[in-house]
Amino acid sequence: SAVISQKPSRDICQRGTSLTIQCQVDSQVTMMFWYRQQPGQSLTLIATANQGSEATYESGFVIDKFPISRPNLTFSTLTVSNMSPEDSSIYLCSATGANSYEQYFGPGTRLTVT
Amino acid sequence: KNQVEQSPQSLIILEGKNCTLQCNYTVSPFSNLRWYKQDTGRGPVSLTIMTFSENTKSNGRYTATLDADTKQSSLHITASQLSDSASYICVVSGGGADGLTFGKGTHLIIQP
Repeated sequence: SAVISQKPSRDICQRGTSLTIQCQVDSQVTMMFWYRQQPGQSLTLIATANQGSEATYESGFVIDKFPISRPNLTFSTLTVSNMSPEDSSIYLCSATGANSYEQYFGPGTRLTVT
Repeated sequence: KNQVEQSPQSLIILEGKNCTLQCNYTVSPFSNLRWYKQDTGRGPVSLTIMTFSENTKSNGRYTATLDADTKQSSLHITASQLSDSASYICVVSGGGADGLTFGKGTHLIIQP
């Protein structure tokens, strides 16, 4: 199994600023993903973090708003840029191991934008 | 369109009682179905994963069933405990970059 940690666990930010969320996995994984979970909603995939190359974004999400890095197999960052109150949400990092059936999730970062 | 529908949306039961959560899906192609438990303020944790050929799978007091013909699954919790209070999310593998379609979850509250 893989253990995923995220920093920060929560933050309150002002409109117009940016926040970078870090995700660290304790073992090598194949795929890493970033999700958003709004209150009472299911998880929505933001993008797939690709090692050493640009992330692959889902419809409705763009690199300028959510730049993502993955410099190695076990670490990724998600930046929420030029934040507005609509960006208030929980952001979750996820990874799949060698057996892609198993998908692990980080504890999430609770972001509040005022 | 791939969809996963869960019911009920929320449920309150007394400690020690049993309950069953439902999941209906329209995801194609189908690879597997997963149930996750998400405690408040935490990330989802896998309870069970079932492939097409599996009808039932247990994990302690949690038992999941799958009917691939009717595209329905259930999660049965036996002798509920206060620590079972959480959201339970049904996830079907099929479609999307991550291959997953998420339900909105059932919010379960266990009262003493």
